[in-house]
Amino acid sequence: EPEVTQTPSHQVTQMGQEVILRCVPISNHLYFYWYRQILGQKVEFLVSFYNNEISEKSEIFDDQFSVERPDGSNFTLKIRSTKLEDSAMYFCASSDRAREKLFFGSGTQLSVL
Amino acid sequence: GENVEQHPSTLSVQEGDSAVIKCTYSDSASNYFPWYKQELGKGPQLIIDIRSNVGEKKDQRIAVTLNKTAKHFSLHITETQPEDSAVYFCAATPKVGGATNKLIFGTGTLLAVQP
Repeated sequence: EPEVTQTPSHQVTQMGQEVILRCVPISNHLYFYWYRQILGQKVEFLVSFYNNEISEKSEIFDDQFSVERPDGSNFTLKIRSTKLEDSAMYFCASSDRAREKLFFGSGTQLSVL
Repeated sequence: GENVEQHPSTLSVQEGDSAVIKCTYSDSASNYFPWYKQELGKGPQLIIDIRSNVGEKKDQRIAVTLNKTAKHFSLHITETQPEDSAVYFCAATPKVGGATNKLIFGTGTLLAVQP
């Protein structure tokens, strides 16, 4: 069964450092997303991406965040200068149609020290 | 914006019993309501979804009901098994224009099925 894959599974970084989280969405999907989940809290929307551009972003997704689809298979989330409060599980998701049936990866646990 | 409330936060049932998790939403224009199961250390997994033009949907032991007038929807799991133990999240998709799909999640329900 096709699945969304994310790497790395764990990332530890120092405050102020840049991190790149990587995702390979399901191959025939056209819509891509990043969500995050702070420990014990709900899953929160960060950004959606379609047709090589951001289609929607949340208040969390400020200038420190960026997304990119550098080739036909990868989808990345970059945090330019990490803060302690960026520590969370980051989930990538994809779907083959707008608004429905998002499939999530297993996540990258980001720890900012 | 859309807000999704979920109850209960924890639910413990005996194996074989039924479990019901309830959610309410605030945006009457929301028209898609998925349910996700999250096991420890894994990402959310879609288990069932319903659109606003349908009142009920069933898939084996899992069913979802939607009451658009009251703006609430529920997940029903019958004949629960220990492997059903997980955190369950409801979600709603506000109806907006364009090619986007922002899911607003509930706060989650930790379901424990006791053998």
